[in-house]
Amino acid sequence: SQQGEEDPQALSIQEGENATMNCSYKTSINNLQWYRQNSGRGLVHLILIRSNEREKHSGRLRVTLDTSKKSSSLLITASRAADTASYFCATAGMDSNYQLIWGAGTKLIIKP
Amino acid sequence: GEEVAQTPKHLVRGEGQKAKLYCAPIKGHSYVFWYQQVLKNEFKFLISFQNENVFDETGMPKERFSAKCLPNSPCSLEIQATKLEDSAVYFCASSPYGTGGNQPQHFGDGTRLSIL
Repeated sequence: SQQGEEDPQALSIQEGENATMNCSYKTSINNLQWYRQNSGRGLVHLILIRSNEREKHSGRLRVTLDTSKKSSSLLITASRAADTASYFCATAGMDSNYQLIWGAGTKLIIKP
Repeated sequence: GEEVAQTPKHLVRGEGQKAKLYCAPIKGHSYVFWYQQVLKNEFKFLISFQNENVFDETGMPKERFSAKCLPNSPCSLEIQATKLEDSAVYFCASSPYGTGGNQPQHFGDGTRLSIL
């Protein structure tokens, strides 16, 4: 079942701008992960943030986690056309038998 | 191999026919997960394996869906008596440990199943 909501559902920005996507979830988690899906392809893992972490960086990506609000955000800085994709958050619960529970995704379009 | 390999890429079946999808996980990965993605929306968990043992099958529509991961063979997902609503992209993922152990999942490119 869907864990929560991602917003926005779609985001269109100019190349070079920053893109921020948000994810909310409902249950206690072990970790939260962000994935990217290019059209017609599988998911590519971007970042995993543990429940005891608040912020994590990887290149142009920054992820924050607020467990008190049950929310996370993914920031992509200095966006590029190649960042055009759908972005999904997924949570691994404390007792979910390791399955990931997914949000509905944000479709990001970077205009050249 | 170093990538999760799913075959076939596309599968077309008439309603009521059987469909069988295959997944070769990354060598050395103990966990295999199957997901269904409908209309490019959220991923629905179907089933997971720890080696050849079913680990979690809470997402499986048990009446028509079955899956196996046998030693020295690709994992498989089989749908009997397919229905139009089974049309989706089916993704396989593998992980060296369970995701609850803070490990990402590595995904294949999926099998697009079209039921006519």
